[in-house]
Amino acid sequence: GENVEQHPSTLSVQEGDSAVIKCTYSDSASNYFPWYKQELGKGPQLIIDIRSNVGEKKDQRIAVTLNKTAKHFSLHITETQPEDSAVYFCAVNSGTYKYIFGTGTRLKVLA
Amino acid sequence: DVKVTQSSRYLVKRTGEKVFLECVQDMDHENMFWYRQDPGLGLRLIYFSYDVKMKEKGDIPEGYSVSREKKERFSLILESASTNQTSMYLCASRSGATEAFFGQGTRLTVV
Repeated sequence: GENVEQHPSTLSVQEGDSAVIKCTYSDSASNYFPWYKQELGKGPQLIIDIRSNVGEKKDQRIAVTLNKTAKHFSLHITETQPEDSAVYFCAVNSGTYKYIFGTGTRLKVLA
Repeated sequence: DVKVTQSSRYLVKRTGEKVFLECVQDMDHENMFWYRQDPGLGLRLIYFSYDVKMKEKGDIPEGYSVSREKKERFSLILESASTNQTSMYLCASRSGATEAFFGQGTRLTVV
């Protein structure tokens, strides 16, 4: 079945530095790749997504890049701030209904 | 403001009890999902529903059942709660291959 690997599991960066989280997937039919942020005590919330017809997408300090040939995609956060501290999940669609989630990355931004 | 609402934030139940977790969405979404979140394992799909009265097993359905009698409501049922079902439970809804909206989660402890 579809498999999604996410790395690293934890990431600490100094405030103002960049953070990069990577995911690899196995199903070449996947064509939707969202990233979710989960703050303490809350459900995950979409922060950015990309479809397979696009290689990169940016939204202010957040960007996602997709390499369909290599089956991996990455989340890039620039100029990190303390409020970026959270758990981040990647996901890929699988079949008509399912999303497969990565195991999550706990990001800590150190002031 | 779109909303997915889970009936309880915290629940403590005894082993062997029948447990109901309720989820309501106000976005008229066809698809609803129940996930279980455990440290290091990410979000794992328990069951999903793509229409009223329709349901499909996810990746870890054992020990669970679901009910969807109305479009806006999706219930997760633990037939006989066990300690290994202690976890965070997340409900989500979406329309097609688009953003999934999550509830705030229910932290269930089975003692």
